Amino acid sequence: GNSVTQMEGPVTLSEEAFLTINCTYTATGYPSLFWYVQYPGEGLQLLLKATKADDKGSNKGFEATYRKETTSFHLEKGSVQVSDSAVYFCALYETSGSRLTFGEGTQLTVNP
Amino acid sequence: NAGVTQTPKFQVLKTGQSMTLQCAQDMNHEYMSWYRQDPGMGLRLIHYSVGAGITDQGEVPNGYNVSRSTTEDFPLRLLSAAPSQTSVYFCASRRTATTDTQYFGPGTRLTVL
Repeated sequence: GNSVTQMEGPVTLSEEAFLTINCTYTATGYPSLFWYVQYPGEGLQLLLKATKADDKGSNKGFEATYRKETTSFHLEKGSVQVSDSAVYFCALYETSGSRLTFGEGTQLTVNP
Repeated sequence: NAGVTQTPKFQVLKTGQSMTLQCAQDMNHEYMSWYRQDPGMGLRLIHYSVGAGITDQGEVPNGYNVSRSTTEDFPLRLLSAAPSQTSVYFCASRRTATTDTQYFGPGTRLTVL
């Protein structure tokens, strides 16, 4: 079946540091890939997505590239802010199963 | 356009009590679903619905019931609450079963004593 594996957290960074959160996946077909963000006390919000190999999703300074050869979709940001503190979830969607499969989530804390 | 709404935001139950978590969406989405979120386990699918009158089980359906009498509403019922059901519950919707972008409600934090 499908699965998503994220790097273990929590991750603590200083403001303006570079961020990478690793995500790898297992899927039988050609999934769409997502990053969702959950701010404290809120539901999940879509951060970015990519629907085919080599696509790059980007939003709010965050980027992730769909790498089919390494089955990865790592999230990056060049300079994090305190307001980026949240839990980040990697997820995949395959049309055949019509379900979103989520990773465990990675807690990010950015200190001033 | 309120998106996906959930009530209540917090709830404390005693073992054996029943309750219903409410979920509504105003985007005319066909597909709705319920997840539970537990530390270190990400989000797990409880039940889902591909349209009014149609529901099906997800990964962890035991102890939960759902119904979908209208497009807008998708309540989740706990018939006899257990401490293992202590969790944060999220309702979500998307336009159709084969649409990939999903919208989430703000969540209900449930504690079962």
